[in-house]
Amino acid sequence: QVLLQESGPGLVQPSGTLSLTCDVSDGSISSPIWWSWVRQPPGKGLEWIGEIYHTGTTNYNPSLKSRVSISVDTSKNQFSLQLSSVTAADTAVYFCARGSFGDYHAFDIWGQGTVVTVSS
Amino acid sequence: DIVMTQFPDSLAVSLGERATINCKSNQSLFYSSNNQNYLAWYQQKRGQPPKLLINWASTRESGVPDRFSGSGSGTDFTLTISSLQAEDVAVYYCQQFYSRLFTFGQGTKLEIK
Repeated sequence: QVLLQESGPGLVQPSGTLSLTCDVSDGSISSPIWWSWVRQPPGKGLEWIGEIYHTGTTNYNPSLKSRVSISVDTSKNQFSLQLSSVTAADTAVYFCARGSFGDYHAFDIWGQGTVVTVSS
Repeated sequence: DIVMTQFPDSLAVSLGERATINCKSNQSLFYSSNNQNYLAWYQQKRGQPPKLLINWASTRESGVPDRFSGSGSGTDFTLTISSLQAEDVAVYYCQQFYSRLFTFGQGTKLEIK
């Protein structure tokens, strides 16, 4: 069973850049599936941020596209999220998730999530 | 964007009774070429990540108890828990994948009456 684990700073300064990494274990990130980031503000619902294929092809939520970059490192079996120009509205639990098979997919495996707070 | 709306926002059901959660999309999620509805259901317990319960509107994931079932087509979908157990207390979300701008419903909080 594939396991996902998020890591990164829990506190980011306003106007700074949020950077998170998702380590993939017990499976290969080079499998023919997409790898996503999803966030959940405190007490609120789920927002899909974007996804990446092992080739480096990306697909972003247009509402965040100008600030988001997702990259993959196949040698480390991990993928990463960068979100620039953050504000308090970006405070959330950030999850990495695996897409189930295909380009059009649900999310069948999730990391435990990591809390990121934007504050000075 | 495809907008997903769930109702009710919250629900209290007695143990052993049926719980029904509805999800409506603002456009059809049915793809006629493969006869599939591009909708999933998730369960999120407090402090945990979401767990995929139902894929393709009605296909239970491996290990999901058979008291959970999904139904519906087009724009209207339902998640039914046939006999509520204490461990089913959670927030439930629907998600569409008809568009690759994946979107979720706002969630339905299920509690014990």
